[in-house]
Amino acid sequence: AQKITQTQPGMFVQEKEAVTLDCTYDTSDPSYGLFWYKQPSSGEMIFLIYQGSYDQQNATEGRYSLNFQKARKSANLVISASQLGDSAMYFCAMRESNTGNQFYFGTGTSLTVIP
Amino acid sequence: GAGVSQTPSNKVTEKGKYVELRCDPISGHTALYWYRQSLGQGPEFLIYFQGTGAADDSGLPNDRFFAVRPEGSVSTLKIQRTERGDSAVYLCASSFGSGGYNEQFFGPGTRLTVL
Repeated sequence: AQKITQTQPGMFVQEKEAVTLDCTYDTSDPSYGLFWYKQPSSGEMIFLIYQGSYDQQNATEGRYSLNFQKARKSANLVISASQLGDSAMYFCAMRESNTGNQFYFGTGTSLTVIP
Repeated sequence: GAGVSQTPSNKVTEKGKYVELRCDPISGHTALYWYRQSLGQGPEFLIYFQGTGAADDSGLPNDRFFAVRPEGSVSTLKIQRTERGDSAVYLCASSFGSGGYNEQFFGPGTRLTVL
């Protein structure tokens, strides 16, 4: 089974609008962390936001917020007030405490912001 | 401050040849990771170093792949008898510690093409 599932290969959003990128995960480990990374066409992975499995509140970082629904095992990324520079690939990743320190990545969502 | 650097940025080789890919992590980061990213996919874990030792090499696909980090800083990923299926972007990441929140900082990657 896939550890991380991103079901949206491509998404479009109008500039200044909000967009939600979906991510579901699969783990039996009670302690885990969820991460979102942005990968522009230049190829570098840029960290956006982190959510720990024991965090009571949804994480927020500027225009990024994470809609964490633990019972549903989902960790959707919400980008508010989209900007043209947000156009990129977005990857959801998970680290489990009992399988060491590797990240499991999803297949990514390509976001295009339309002016 | 300097981020993670990787050299070369591009490497073209012929099937059967040996290649070395270098990663220079952020100074002071004890944890170092190698990932492989094929076209249209998320990064796939290869190996993780804590200090000089390979703490987890479970992601290496076969014994043609080997990585070292002799002084606990720079790491080299070595691929013997390259095959066309090895063509991918090889990403290196480092983090200050391991586990928990510690985000991984990624380098720009080395694009390997095996002809």
